[in-house]
Order: sequence, then C-alpha cells, then structure tokens
Amino acid sequence: GAGVSQSPSNKVTEKGKDVELRCDPISGHTALYWYRQRLGQGLEFLIYFQGNSAPDKSGLPSDRFSAERTGESVSTLTIQRTQQEDSAVYLCASSAQPPGELFFGEGSRLTVL
Amino acid sequence: AQSVTQPDIHITVSEGASLELRCNYSYGATPYLFWYVQSPGQGLQLLLKYFSGDTLVQGIKGFEAEFKRSQSSFNLRKPSVHWSDAAEYFCAVAFTGGGNKLTFGTGTQLKVEL
Repeated sequence: GAGVSQSPSNKVTEKGKDVELRCDPISGHTALYWYRQRLGQGLEFLIYFQGNSAPDKSGLPSDRFSAERTGESVSTLTIQRTQQEDSAVYLCASSAQPPGELFFGEGSRLTVL
Repeated sequence: AQSVTQPDIHITVSEGASLELRCNYSYGATPYLFWYVQSPGQGLQLLLKYFSGDTLVQGIKGFEAEFKRSQSSFNLRKPSVHWSDAAEYFCAVAFTGGGNKLTFGTGTQLKVEL
C-alpha cells in the first residue's frame, strides 16, 4: 500500500498473555520506528531500525518487550506477559532517509484487562 | 540524553487570534527539528522541519517556526488560527551523532474557541 500499515488496529488481551503487533512500512523506507502513546500523553520512543545496522533498543521499557525487522520490510513488536500499564497505542513510522520526515501508521490500540 | 520540552500542556485561543507554541530542546549537537500535528482520530502529520539554512521555516496550513540556537528553541507560530487547527501538536528533535533517533515532546493540546 501507499502508507504505513499496522495490524491489528485494536487488540484486547488478558493480563499475562503475549501479544504481537505488526508494522508494514512504506516500500523502500530504510528506517522504521516504534513509539508508544499512552492516553493523553506524548510519544515514547521504543526502538529504531535502520537498514542492516544494529537496532537502537534504548527505549524498550523492559525485557518483556522485543522487536524484529526482516531486512527493510515488516517489523513485529512483541510484548510478553502483558501488564495493565502496557495499555496504549503503539505507533509505527518509517522514513526514507533519516532523520527525515516520518510517516506514521494509524497505530495499534492495545488494551490489557 | 537528548530531550524536548513543550512547557504548555494546554492552550486555548480564539479563532482568528495568533498562536505560538513553545518548544525547547537540550543536547549539544546540531539539531534536526520537526513539528507534527495529531488531529482527533487521525494519524500524525508533519507540519514543518528544520535541518539547516534559513532559521525561519514555512510549513503546511499556514504554520511557520523559527529556530533560535541561542535559546535552544523552535517555536511554532500561526498568525490567524482557524477552528480546524484544534489538535495536539508535537515538537520533535534528532541530532547528528544521535543515531537519527527522533525524540518527541509531550505535546500541546490546542483548543480553538469560536
């Protein structure tokens, strides 16, 4: 597609379950970012992929969070043993040439009961 | 560590009035500066960016921003606000040597009174 695609758009899960969120960036974009946005708050950086370089994982809040990206294509963000404080919108963005314009997806809204 | 401060959480202006949203950053290197807008139910959209050159940059929807290195600021302005400008505005910064990580401020919620 023309834009950044994220799935699922909404996910409700029970505390302790694992969830996987997917991001399909704009074709040709080498950089991919994941951010978390809690209700009424700003964007919290999670992780950044750039080409074949080692990802910048400095924003991952705990070892329950991990992310992978295959080449310059799809990325998955995995949250293990979800907690209620993980409830948020998870935003993915891609960029053709960082630090240029980021193109954001619509986000995946995660609710942990 | 790089950081971005948006000191105003909420701002209310009357339609037709001028607007200035404040943004300050901290770090020692050359910054790349951005303003994004998030409208209700919509994704984030780039308003404008500054990389180098003229410190006054023009963006979409009639917005402009001025980079002031001495004040570490990148304030967003609009001469006359429209009701459709009601949204959340985010300032963001990346730095040369910072690995291109884009750090966002906490946002300013703009309300426009008719």
